[in-house]
Amino acid sequence: GQQVMQIPQYQHVQEGEDFTTYCNSSTTLSNIQWYKQRPGGHPVFLIQLVKSGEVKKQKRLTFQFGEAKKNSSLHITATQTTDVGTYFCAGREAGGGNKLTFGTGTQLKVEL
Amino acid sequence: KAGVTQTPRYLIKTRGQQVTLSCSPISGHRSVSWYQQTPGQGLQFLFEYFSETQRNKGNFPGRFSGRQFSNSRSEMNVSTLELGDSALYLCASSTLLQGVDGYTFGSGTRLTVV
Repeated sequence: GQQVMQIPQYQHVQEGEDFTTYCNSSTTLSNIQWYKQRPGGHPVFLIQLVKSGEVKKQKRLTFQFGEAKKNSSLHITATQTTDVGTYFCAGREAGGGNKLTFGTGTQLKVEL
Repeated sequence: KAGVTQTPRYLIKTRGQQVTLSCSPISGHRSVSWYQQTPGQGLQFLFEYFSETQRNKGNFPGRFSGRQFSNSRSEMNVSTLELGDSALYLCASSTLLQGVDGYTFGSGTRLTVV
């Protein structure tokens, strides 16, 4: 079945440093979504990417969908303590009618 | 508007018992999906309901079942509980099938099986 892996599993940064998490799917995706889960909380939808090579920005967050639509990345510039949490990508296999498969997640810790 | 409401927030059950969890989606959302979250396995898809019909199912045993009512509220049931069923059960709603427009998650039900 479809597998969606994320690296790194954990990332510990100093406040102000940049952070990137990478998402790789075993199959071509029709679209990809990103979610953030704060410690003790539930996942919160951030964004959806649909087009090959698409890049979207939300303030300090930059999301990218690969040209082959099998990978994606989330880059945070100048991290803040409010960025702490686990970031999940979630991909839908191309072909339609398939469930959303969540990635393994990257846990981000930000130190002052 | 009100978010996705899951009840109860916490549950402790004994192995072999059964449990029913409830989810009330955002008003107007017709799709309700259930996920199991554990530290080791991450977010695993259980099933999705849309307009009272199960549209998708994950790879869970038949002990896991669900249903959706005409008001879009959903319940999931786990029978013959096992220790490995201890997890956070998350409900997510969306206006379209399979969260094409993005899922809104509830706060979850933390189930502990002893």
